[in-house]
Amino acid sequence: NAGVTQTPKFQVLKTGQSMTLQCAQDMNHEYMSWYRQDPGMGLRLIHYSVGAGITDQGEVPNGYNVSRSTTEDFPLRLLSAAPSQTSVYFCASSYRLTERNYGYTFGSGTRLTVV
Amino acid sequence: GQQVMQIPQYQHVQEGEDFTTYCNSSTTLSNIQWYKQRPGGHPVFLIQLVKSGEVKKQKRLTFQFGEAKKNSSLHITATQTTDVGTYFCAGRQGGSEKLVFGKGTKLTVNP
Repeated sequence: NAGVTQTPKFQVLKTGQSMTLQCAQDMNHEYMSWYRQDPGMGLRLIHYSVGAGITDQGEVPNGYNVSRSTTEDFPLRLLSAAPSQTSVYFCASSYRLTERNYGYTFGSGTRLTVV
Repeated sequence: GQQVMQIPQYQHVQEGEDFTTYCNSSTTLSNIQWYKQRPGGHPVFLIQLVKSGEVKKQKRLTFQFGEAKKNSSLHITATQTTDVGTYFCAGRQGGSEKLVFGKGTKLTVNP
């Protein structure tokens, strides 16, 4: 199993450009989420999905879109990049958050710089 | 909205000393999870607590979930240099599918 695969690992964008961060998992996990990590801010939830065709907003959704057409893939789209979106982005997946001792499996992250 | 507060933000200890990080929520949580992130790495799941007053141990790590399910703690006994990293708690409010993280406690260990 590859786990959670994120691409690209690094990206530099100009203000106003758009791009898609890719995330794929091969563990048949229902849940997938996107977090951004900024110094001193912890991990903030952008969007999440509890299954194919179902998405919902997290704490900081503005400027980002997501879709979940398959169980495996959960791309994050930046519509018009802004310097405030400079961050490290993590995709994570999990089985349903029930009483079983399962947590999120995180990808290795995408470091995005917007200039 | 749901908030998960974590203290302290930083902790520096001498190797062999104990370490504790605390997590508090403004609302009752259905469960709480703990993660560790090594410098330059990604968060790695450690454990999940579900029941009121639950205590779980993993070698030198002890995790507690408060009776009211609004607070939790992670205690490391006799820290080692391998314990270096940032420890995050993450909680889910009852009925919500969102997993909200605290800001983390960054632990450094002086050998």
